[in-house]
Formats: sequence, C-alpha cells, structure tokens
Amino acid sequence: AQSVTQPDIHITVSEGASLELRCNYSYGATPYLFWYVQSPGQGLQLLLKYFSGDTLVQGIKGFEAEFKRSQSSFNLRKPSVHWSDAAEYFCAVGARGQGAQKLVFGQGTRLTINP
Amino acid sequence: NAGVTQTPKFRVLKTGQSMTLLCAQDMNHEYMYWYRQDPGMGLRLIHYSVGEGTTAKGEVPDGYNVSRLKKQNFLLGLESAAPSQTSVYFCASSYGTGQGLLFEQFFGPGTRLTVL
Repeated sequence: AQSVTQPDIHITVSEGASLELRCNYSYGATPYLFWYVQSPGQGLQLLLKYFSGDTLVQGIKGFEAEFKRSQSSFNLRKPSVHWSDAAEYFCAVGARGQGAQKLVFGQGTRLTINP
Repeated sequence: NAGVTQTPKFRVLKTGQSMTLLCAQDMNHEYMYWYRQDPGMGLRLIHYSVGEGTTAKGEVPDGYNVSRLKKQNFLLGLESAAPSQTSVYFCASSYGTGQGLLFEQFFGPGTRLTVL
C-alpha cells in the first residue's frame, strides 16, 4: 500500500535561514507527488507538484522540491525563509485504488520561524 | 470562481445529534472527497465520489454517510454524533481526466466540528 512519511513533526528555523523538509514515500509505480501548505486556521494550498520530467520542480512562494527515485524522497526546500512561512506542510502521493485516484498524506511537519 | 466552499465553518453538537456538512465546487470537477484532520494524524479520507450519483468509502468511513446528488455538491452526514468525531473536516475536488491532474486536489477552507 502507498504511504508517506514525514520524519520531522516540528522544525524551527530562524528567519532568513534555509529550510529543508523531508518526505519519503512508498509506491510501486511512478509517483505523482505533492506538497501542500496549511496556514493556521486555513485550508490546504498546493505549493508544488511532480508528475514527470525534470526532477527539480519549482512552486509558489519561492519553494522547490527535488524528486529522487533512488531514495524514494521528495524533499521541500527554500533558500531563505520568511516569518510568513510558519505553517504546517504536508507531503502527499497520488494513489490509485478502488476505481479512483486518491491522495495519501504524510502526518505533516509544523514549521516555526524564529525572528 | 469561488473554488471549493464549505458550510458551515464552525459547529458545536451534542452527542447523538445529527448534522450535514455541505461542500460545493464550481470547477466542474468529477471527483470529490471528504477528509478529517486530527492533530498528528495528517488528513484521513472519509468518503469520496468519482461522479454524480456515486460514493465510496475511504479510510475512516464509520459513523458518516455521504451523498452526491448533483455534480457540484458533496454532502457529509453524521447521523448520531460522537465526541470521537470532533475534528476539522475538509472537502476537496479534482479533475476527472488527465493522468497527473487526476490527483491534484483543491481544498475548501474546512469546518471545525466539536461534539460535546
């Protein structure tokens, strides 16, 4: 069965520092991968996605992620974080089953920004 | 476009009461989903629909029912609410065609439900 693991429940970084959030997935075929962000009290917003092609994908708000098939990873990065990046981040893999396409989410990583 | 909207935003129920959460989308999406979000557990799929008139169980369907009488609406019902159903509920929708696009889901703002 498909699964997603986000090893870090909570990460704290200083404003202006670089960021990397880890995501590992388990899926037999070519995965469709996503990163979503959830600001406090809000719904989920798509940051970026990987379907195929270039393994380095660019998203909104200056985020990027790299798909590494050999490591089954899809880590999210940002060179310099801003206070407004404080939020919860979810990695997800697209999964087929029971005649439908679904997303399997990781548990999320909560990001805190120190001023 | 409003995207995906959810009604209500907040609700407090007493154990045993019933209620219906409404999700509406104006993107002509085929697929619609209901999730619940609990601390430390990510999002878990309750029920989903692959088209008007169809519904299917997700990962945690017990205690919930759904209906998709119109393509743009997806209703989630709690027949007899329990404290364990205290959660934040999210609706999402996605396209019905296109390989990767099938998986890209658009989310509503959520409904915070408390069952006392």
